[in-house]
Amino acid sequence: EPEVTQTPSHQVTQMGQEVILRCVPISNHLYFYWYRQILGQKVEFLVSFYNNEISEKSEIFDDQFSVERPDGSNFTLKIRSTKLEDSAMYFCASSEQTGPPHFGNGTRLTVT
Amino acid sequence: AQTVTQSQPEMSVQEAETVTLSCTYDTSESDYYLFWYKQPPSRQMILVIRQEAYKQQNATENRFSVNFQKAAKSFSLKISDSQLGDAAMYFCAYSPFNTNAGKSTFGDGTTLTVKP
Repeated sequence: EPEVTQTPSHQVTQMGQEVILRCVPISNHLYFYWYRQILGQKVEFLVSFYNNEISEKSEIFDDQFSVERPDGSNFTLKIRSTKLEDSAMYFCASSEQTGPPHFGNGTRLTVT
Repeated sequence: AQTVTQSQPEMSVQEAETVTLSCTYDTSESDYYLFWYKQPPSRQMILVIRQEAYKQQNATENRFSVNFQKAAKSFSLKISDSQLGDAAMYFCAYSPFNTNAGKSTFGDGTTLTVKP
């Protein structure tokens, strides 16, 4: 069964540094998403991406964040000038036009 | 804005018994999806079951079934014959029906403990 893959599984970075989280969505899916889950809390929507542009974003997704689909397969989340509170699990997901999001296994980001 | 409420932060069940996890939601839409996801300690997000709001029949997947009450905006998950591997955090989620259907709103989660 096709799946969403995310790399790396764990990323440790120093406060103030930039990180790029990578995702390969399911190939025939049209919509791509990033979600965040701070340890012990709920999963929160960050951004959705369709037709090479952001279709919707949450209040969390401020200027510190950006997304890109640099080629036909990868979908990336860039976090600039990381803060301690950015430490979380970041999930990539993809979906067809209708239907549930299929989640990757997540990238655990630790900011020290 | 849509909201999803899971009123049970923690639940426990004896192995082989049945447990029901509660979820309520608020929306002004008539068509939408509802999902239950399982998150084990590995923190993967595993889709357990889905329900389309236009379908009156409750969804079933093996030992997992839902009680979908559209008028009451209630969507509970029943786990029958509970197994040790069912122990996890369970999240209820709402998604719009049309475009951007993967943009989900999640509840706070219910931690399920299965006792041997």
